Amino acid sequence: RKEVEQDPGPFNVPEGATVAFNCTYSNSASQSFFWYRQDCRKEPKLLMSVYSSGNEDGRFTAQLNRASQYISLLIRDSKLSDSATYLCVVLNDYKLSFGAGTTVTVRA
Amino acid sequence: GAGVSQSPSNKVTEKGKDVELRCDPISGHTALYWYRQSLGQGLEFLIYFQGNSAPDKSGLPSDRFSAERTGGSVSTLTIQRTQQEDSAVYLCASSLGSAGAILFFGPGTRLTVL
Repeated sequence: RKEVEQDPGPFNVPEGATVAFNCTYSNSASQSFFWYRQDCRKEPKLLMSVYSSGNEDGRFTAQLNRASQYISLLIRDSKLSDSATYLCVVLNDYKLSFGAGTTVTVRA
Repeated sequence: GAGVSQSPSNKVTEKGKDVELRCDPISGHTALYWYRQSLGQGLEFLIYFQGNSAPDKSGLPSDRFSAERTGGSVSTLTIQRTQQEDSAVYLCASSLGSAGAILFFGPGTRLTVL
């Protein structure tokens, strides 16, 4: 079983829509969780950390469910510039494990 | 300010040749990671350095792969006797302080083995 699993998508949504997707992780002892964003042929960049209580950063909301071992990301009022691949990242000790990514395409 | 840099940006080589990839992390970042990403795939962990030490080399795919870090700064990833399946983007990332802090990635080296 992979350490981090994501629905690859793609999620094709119109501008202004809300899109949400999950990621599951296998190690119940994982300490920290993140969402990274990767644009086509570019390096990943941190989008946001995920806290146990859930957190928002503008139009982005992240949730963590430790009992079910999943993390979610919700994007409200989608913009064309949100089109990217979103990578779920889980920290175990020093090792950051990446999911294969969920592709989101926002259309005009 | 300067970010993580990697060189070369692109490398095309023939099967069986050795290649050396370089990473210059952000100054002061003690943790350094190498990952590789094949087309359409996720990031595969290769190796982690804390300072000049590599406590975990288990991600290296085979004994043809080696990495070192000197002066707590520059790191090189060497692939000997390259194979076609080594073709991928090799990404280096660094972070400040302890592992698990925010990773800053370099632009990657795109390796193509013919």
